[in-house]
Amino acid sequence: AQSVSQHNHHVILSEAASLELGCNYSYGGTVNLFWYVQYPGQHLQLLLKYFSGDPLVKGIKGFEAEFIKSKFSFNLRKPSVQWSDTAEYFCAVNPVGAGNMLTFGGGTRLMVKP
Amino acid sequence: DAGVIQSPRHEVTEMGQEVTLRCKPISGHDYLFWYRQTMMRGLELLIYFNNNVPIDDSGMPEDRFSAKMPNASFSTLKIQPSEPRDSAVYFCASSLSFGLSYEQYFGPGTRLTVT
Repeated sequence: AQSVSQHNHHVILSEAASLELGCNYSYGGTVNLFWYVQYPGQHLQLLLKYFSGDPLVKGIKGFEAEFIKSKFSFNLRKPSVQWSDTAEYFCAVNPVGAGNMLTFGGGTRLMVKP
Repeated sequence: DAGVIQSPRHEVTEMGQEVTLRCKPISGHDYLFWYRQTMMRGLELLIYFNNNVPIDDSGMPEDRFSAKMPNASFSTLKIQPSEPRDSAVYFCASSLSFGLSYEQYFGPGTRLTVT
């Protein structure tokens, strides 16, 4: 079965610092990739997704992610974080042909200090 | 569209009582997922349906948990009897297979506390 690893469980940054959250998956076939964000007390919302084409994907609120197939990675980045980015971030994988099921990583809690 | 609707938003019950959580997916979506989120275990997939049929319930913790989807616009997750370790936030999500989107839309969640 496929799995998704997010190695950083907790990240603390100051405002304006750059962010990179790691995501690695274990699946040999073609995948669709997602990053979701969960703000405190709220539900998960889609941040960005990759299906095909340009491996550098831009999402909402200045976030981007890069798919590196050879490394089975889909890291999330933002050049300058804001206090409002404090949230939990989840990477998810959908193996092509597996229907609409997503396998989620364990999440990374980001705290941005003002 | 109103998005995925869940009720109740908060539920506090005593151990041993039956709990029923409800979900209305986005109209037209043909997949429905039930997740449980806790601090200790993170986000866990409990069960999912496609066209109202349960496809994979391997995440359901034990026989105390059951889920139904009698029609395309309604699903329930029932816990009977409830236990304190069932305390968690339960999310419902739906998605559409047409167009190969695969994106799941989450509801606001039900925060369950079992005392």
